[in-house]
Amino acid sequence: EPEVTQTPSHQVTQMGQEVILRCVPISNHLYFYWYRQILGQKVEFLVSFYNNEISEKSEIFDDQFSVERPDGSNFTLKIRSTKLEDSAMYFCASSGGGGLYSSGANVLTFGAGSRLTVL
Amino acid sequence: DAKTTQPNSMESNEEEPVHLPCNHSTISGTDYIHWYRQLPSQGPEYVIHGLTSNVNNRMASLAIAEDRKSSTLILHRATLRDAAVYYCILEVESIGEYGNKLVFGAGTILRVKS
Repeated sequence: EPEVTQTPSHQVTQMGQEVILRCVPISNHLYFYWYRQILGQKVEFLVSFYNNEISEKSEIFDDQFSVERPDGSNFTLKIRSTKLEDSAMYFCASSGGGGLYSSGANVLTFGAGSRLTVL
Repeated sequence: DAKTTQPNSMESNEEEPVHLPCNHSTISGTDYIHWYRQLPSQGPEYVIHGLTSNVNNRMASLAIAEDRKSSTLILHRATLRDAAVYYCILEVESIGEYGNKLVFGAGTILRVKS
């Protein structure tokens, strides 16, 4: 079964450092997402991405965050200057699309996550 | 964001059926109902979705009330591997009109006893 692959599985960084989390979405998917989950809390939407641009972003996704699809297979989340409160699991997801304008449900496939620890 | 209400936790015995309820009284006519689950230390995993009719797949069944204001995820025979957080989610139209985001609530923690 196709899967979303995320690297690294765990990264430890110092506060203020830049971090790049990488994702390889399912190959024929067109929509890409980042979510995060702080320990013990719910899964929070960060950003969605389609056709090489951001479709929607949450309030959490401020100027320190950016996303990129640098080639045909990778989707990255960059955190420019990490803070202690950025420590969380970050999940990448992809989908083939769906919803009101595509006549079908938008089923997301999630990766196993990247654990980010900021010291 | 469209709201769903689920019990905080439920407990089940192994090999018995489990009915996980979800209320979504503010659902609109085009909102899909999704169920995902999150096993310990893993990413969310798709379980099932529906719009109006009841749905079955290899993992579970989804029963949707006639007025669509509630739904129930049915695991026919719970196993220890089904212990997870189960999320009932309404698909929300995104601002960009593509790739509707899914908004997770707190979900229901399902504990399965052997």
